Amino acid sequence: TQLLEQSPQFLSIQEGENLTVYCNSSSVFSSLQWYRQEPGEGPVLLVTVVTGGEVKKLKRLTFQFGDARKDSSLHITAAQPGDTGLYLCAGVGQGGSEKLVFGKGTKLTVNP
Amino acid sequence: EAQVTQNPRYLITVTGKKLTVTCSQNMNHEYMSWYRQDPGLGLRQIYYSMNVEVTDKGDVPEGYKVSRKEKRNFPLILESPSPNQTSLYFCASKRQGGNEQFFGPGTRLTVL
Repeated sequence: TQLLEQSPQFLSIQEGENLTVYCNSSSVFSSLQWYRQEPGEGPVLLVTVVTGGEVKKLKRLTFQFGDARKDSSLHITAAQPGDTGLYLCAGVGQGGSEKLVFGKGTKLTVNP
Repeated sequence: EAQVTQNPRYLITVTGKKLTVTCSQNMNHEYMSWYRQDPGLGLRQIYYSMNVEVTDKGDVPEGYKVSRKEKRNFPLILESPSPNQTSLYFCASKRQGGNEQFFGPGTRLTVL
């Protein structure tokens, strides 16, 4: 069974601070996705990383896929209250699997 | 507007009273899936469907049924709900081979 361990589970920071969320597994994934979920809504895809070592940037968010494609990180620079939400990583299995394996999520609160 | 819709959004029911949560997508996606989201457990897949008349169990299928008679609809059926099925349920869809899953807004179910 493929598992994704996400840390930290909760994070409360002040506006302007930087933060990193980690997503780790002992399994290899063909790609890894990061979603953001706001209260009362479903998750929305932020980014997909496919190649080992890949780095993608989305404004103040930087996503990295580990070289071995077993782990990923999300770094937010100068966090803003609008970044508040639940961040979920999800791995796509190898071999053409359509199944997503989700981490348990990181609940981020950015205080003004 | 491309979207996944779920109904109802909120439901309070009693143990043993059969219920159906509907899910519909207008993007002509082949793949559809149901998840439940519980505190501390994250998103867990209940059932999925690769196409019309093709369904399969996810990680937590016990107590649930699904059907896929049409491409756009994927209802979730609880024949005899129990309190441990109290949860937040999400339907999602995606194009076969595509990366992004599109999630519905969620259905909050309480079984008394």
